[in-house]
Amino acid sequence: SQQGEEDPQALSIQEGENATMNCSYKTSINNLQWYRQNSGRGLVHLILIRSNEREKHSGRLRVTLDTSKKSSSLLITASRAADTASYFCATLRDNFNKFYFGSGTKLNVKP
Amino acid sequence: GAVVSQHPSWVICKSGTSVKIECRSLDFQATTMFWYRQFPKQSLMLMATSNEGSKATYEQGVEKDKFLINHASLTLSTLTVTSAHPEDSSFYICSARYQQISNQPQHFGDGTRLSIL
Repeated sequence: SQQGEEDPQALSIQEGENATMNCSYKTSINNLQWYRQNSGRGLVHLILIRSNEREKHSGRLRVTLDTSKKSSSLLITASRAADTASYFCATLRDNFNKFYFGSGTKLNVKP
Repeated sequence: GAVVSQHPSWVICKSGTSVKIECRSLDFQATTMFWYRQFPKQSLMLMATSNEGSKATYEQGVEKDKFLINHASLTLSTLTVTSAHPEDSSFYICSARYQQISNQPQHFGDGTRLSIL
């Protein structure tokens, strides 16, 4: 990808379990955002974390950011079948003029 | 509701046709819009950054003459795939950002699925 890798590439869990996805990026950033994409559809913004923040919560979502390691993680707690989708991290950099996506994690939550 | 509208959502046309895709910000002025291409089961690849009133900035490897971008107003950017061929078939998505503010999320259109026969 233009930004970096996400792992795992695919994750299959049971409903109720937690899902953790990791994202690495290559250069300094202004912020990092997580998005969700259902198959063949547009993207839904989940959460934004700025470069000077280390952790952020939104409902069942928890995002961490480690700028020293150039990495971020997304935790979805108490997963539901409806959480089945692809999840992408994306970084804003170069004085706000570039917005690159990671390779994505395909999450399957089994009912 | 949607804040970025992308049209059309699906295009099927013959090889050699030029196809225009529109991306509109509905309730805000977008100084910057981004155009992406996505192949099946892959991530989004940034094609170009479009700034209102100036030339688009293309990513390395993206043909400027093939993918024409026009950002003539603060609410509209267009991507024209010129003389499209089957290898141009893909999912194209635009996004828009409200001003140069770091804590604002990107807003995405629903994408255009382009199929060239």
